[in-house]
Amino acid sequence: NAGVMQNPRHLVRRRGQEARLRCSPMKGHSHVYWYRQLPEEGLKFMVYLQKENIIDESGMPKERFSAEFPKEGPSILRIQQVVRGDSAAYFCASYLRRTDTQYFGPGTRLTVL
Amino acid sequence: DQQVKQNSPSLSVQEGRISILNCDYTNSMFDYFLWYKKYPAEGPTFLISISSIKDKNEDGRFTVFLNKSAKHLSLHIVPSQPGDSAVYFCAASGGSNYKLTFGKGTLLTVNP
Repeated sequence: NAGVMQNPRHLVRRRGQEARLRCSPMKGHSHVYWYRQLPEEGLKFMVYLQKENIIDESGMPKERFSAEFPKEGPSILRIQQVVRGDSAAYFCASYLRRTDTQYFGPGTRLTVL
Repeated sequence: DQQVKQNSPSLSVQEGRISILNCDYTNSMFDYFLWYKKYPAEGPTFLISISSIKDKNEDGRFTVFLNKSAKHLSLHIVPSQPGDSAVYFCAASGGSNYKLTFGKGTLLTVNP
């Protein structure tokens, strides 16, 4: 996990508010994946981004969720108008093609009241 | 539609013995398999991986076996240590975007 940073580690929002989750990949990595883990479940793929490009968003809910990975700065996962069902742990992973391995950050635990 | 299955939610072993964690998959397009270890409130930590062109990969106390015909892989930990107690996730990928499909995990408890 060393090197992949996520913040905040814990986020509490009321229904209808917006949540912004940030991920800084390991140095030199330009690929980022976002996964969501619901209670008692495995991690589920949401979106795959490279710098300034969304490569695969097939796991993203159609509404309220968006992601970006700008040229400068961290990747952002944005959830608008949060609902209780959005409560989960959100993990990002950075990927280095040379190693074929994804390295995960510590996660952001989102609680929607 | 669960493409990666870990049918044992939990496993308990004695320190020093072998731990065997199992994983089955259904998607024939998967060609790369990984095991991650996860402690509560932390992110998954990469343990070991195997490509579909191999049937075994070893790294210290950890060995992963792949049986492509059975679509089955297993992780062997020997000897098991109390610090190995964690949830172990099996994951698979296939295709050019390398997204991972995870099983639900197996909670391993190693008793002193």
